[in-house]
Amino acid sequence: DVKVTQSSRYLVKRTGEKVFLECVQDMDHENMFWYRQDPGLGLRLIYFSYDVKMKEKGDIPEGYSVSREKKERFSLILESASTNQTSMYLCASSGTAAYEQYFGPGTRLTVT
Amino acid sequence: AQSVTQLGSHVSVSEGALVLLRCNYSSSVPPYLFWYVQYPNQGLQLLLKYTSAATLVKGINGFEAEFKKSETSFHLTKPSAHMSDAAEYFCAVGMNSGYSTLTFGKGTMLLVSP
Repeated sequence: DVKVTQSSRYLVKRTGEKVFLECVQDMDHENMFWYRQDPGLGLRLIYFSYDVKMKEKGDIPEGYSVSREKKERFSLILESASTNQTSMYLCASSGTAAYEQYFGPGTRLTVT
Repeated sequence: AQSVTQLGSHVSVSEGALVLLRCNYSSSVPPYLFWYVQYPNQGLQLLLKYTSAATLVKGINGFEAEFKKSETSFHLTKPSAHMSDAAEYFCAVGMNSGYSTLTFGKGTMLLVSP
């Protein structure tokens, strides 16, 4: 089974802090994705990566950056957390030319 | 650009009743289509997928969906709802070109009453 793990299930940070969310997949997938999920808005793509050190902006990249130094790991960085970044963050991965994505359990981030 | 519309943010059924969750998509090329389920405080789990083979797709937990090109629809059904089906359901579309990204609908919460 594909396994996608996220570093924290719940996280509370203060406004202005730098926040790191980490995601690891164990299926040697090329593609990795970061989404945020908010009630009534569904999933919105923040960034994705199709190879090591490669990244592409999604629909809502503002206020976020990403890092992919190793194939299995994809990090989401909030340079200076703000209260409007309080949300559920979901990581996913998929193989080459495959569209089905496999999701981690999510990190519920609260910024106070 | 592709888009997905899920009709109804909430759907309520009685246990044993038919479940019908609606999804319409727009895509300029033949799409890949997916249904995912999310239980409370969990990630998304793949229910089923359409990738241009059979138009009627069977998934896990007794769910199935039918791809209708003329209606640009991919509705999810289950003949008899169970209490454990209560969850949020997401329809997603991927285009057969470019990056392997998916566009998700806003989700439909399925409520099952005894």
